Amino acid sequence: NAGVMQNPRHLVRRRGQEARLRCSPMKGHSHVYWYRQLPEEGLKFMVYLQKENIIDESGMPKERFSAEFPKEGPSILRIQQVVRGDSAAYFCASRGGINQPQHFGDGTRLSIL
Amino acid sequence: QKEVEQDPGPLSVPEGAIVSLNCTYSNSAFQYFMWYRQYSRKGPELLMYTYSSGNKEDGRFTAQVDKSSKYISLFIRDSQPSDSATYLCAMGGMGSGGSNYKLTFGKGTLLTVNP
Repeated sequence: NAGVMQNPRHLVRRRGQEARLRCSPMKGHSHVYWYRQLPEEGLKFMVYLQKENIIDESGMPKERFSAEFPKEGPSILRIQQVVRGDSAAYFCASRGGINQPQHFGDGTRLSIL
Repeated sequence: QKEVEQDPGPLSVPEGAIVSLNCTYSNSAFQYFMWYRQYSRKGPELLMYTYSSGNKEDGRFTAQVDKSSKYISLFIRDSQPSDSATYLCAMGGMGSGGSNYKLTFGKGTLLTVNP
């Protein structure tokens, strides 16, 4: 299966811990997006990355959240010092060339105790 | 006014019915229009994608875009119980870089097709 792979599927953290979410894009895709889905809310854009570059992080909270997409390996969304309000489903999407649609992974469901 | 409005439903129809799902939007910069289907505990699955006004058909699905009215629709013909899911409309525009666009989603419409 050459789809977008996210892991872990479920992640439980205690308040104050760090959460690391990983995303491997579809083969041949170099554009990665992260979205967050809160209960009863639609998907909200967080950040757009290309290899080794953050292109648009206008949807990311200013503190505690960071993202990277290194030259080798998956994209990482990192949340430091998690709080209960960070509990959500986090989805990664990737796309190929210009005018191509985004394809989503099955998400990581983050629960904060 | 929200950028994208979508009736959350829920919508319940009998098997075989024609389903109509709709979204309105306010941002004229949107050029790309998508419909995704999301099953419970899964990621959004791309159903239809277009960047022009008019109709696009794929099997039992037809997507319609009216840019002048800022209105998009998804029609499902001969609906099946397996179509039961949440349907999300999504839209994007070109960024200043020329190729970057981030999607703005509707909240989704929950559809149930009853056997």
